[in-house]
Amino acid sequence: EVQLVESGGGLVQPGGSLRLSCAASGFTFSSYAMSWVRQAPGKGLEWVSSISGTGGSGSTYYADSVKGRFTISRDTSKSTLYLQMNSLRAEDTAIYYCAKQPTLAVSANSWYFDLWGRGTLVSVSS
Amino acid sequence: SYELTQPPSVSVSPGQTASITCSGDRLGDKYAYWYQQKPGQSPVLVIYEDAMRPSGIPERFSGSNSGNTATLTISGTQAMDEADYYCQAWDSKTAKFGGGTKLTVL
Repeated sequence: EVQLVESGGGLVQPGGSLRLSCAASGFTFSSYAMSWVRQAPGKGLEWVSSISGTGGSGSTYYADSVKGRFTISRDTSKSTLYLQMNSLRAEDTAIYYCAKQPTLAVSANSWYFDLWGRGTLVSVSS
Repeated sequence: SYELTQPPSVSVSPGQTASITCSGDRLGDKYAYWYQQKPGQSPVLVIYEDAMRPSGIPERFSGSNSGNTATLTISGTQAMDEADYYCQAWDSKTAKFGGGTKLTVL
């Protein structure tokens, strides 16, 4: 079965750190770009970060709201995507979804999400 | 920064046609994508590359994109189509989402 399963969410104090993981199965993980998309409680979707597939340029991309604080990475041997989140703020509170893109490279004509995980909740509060 | 604007809500009677718009500067020059999200669930891609339907998406879902507006059309709307719908496009190496439209099937 093709699926993405996120983990690592939880309650963290402002200024703290958290690492999210996304385990992929049912497809060749290395062949696809991957992303994180978040959704604050009762709000809309917000793209967070993307990374090209292994063998691609290794390029990473970030939303301005997280640039310099979050780092996306992937481990092909474990078919796992990560999001290291540092200097967390209250406004980072959201469900974080892992999402697969349809091609190896992150490009203008393929920057969309054809498979989503169920998400993991991150709460930033004192 | 690039913005996509959607109406907050759209209502439709069962069996009728629902149209949800998404507006952005020269959106027709880009590809538009649409996602459906039901309460408590993850988003699901329903339209890609303006008008293409992924496998498993019913034929009643269709899309168009021209000028500054992309449109998601649901023909013969069913109660199961009640959900939030989000448009999305690419701009300057970022993915942008519209604010979402709540479709109510009355």
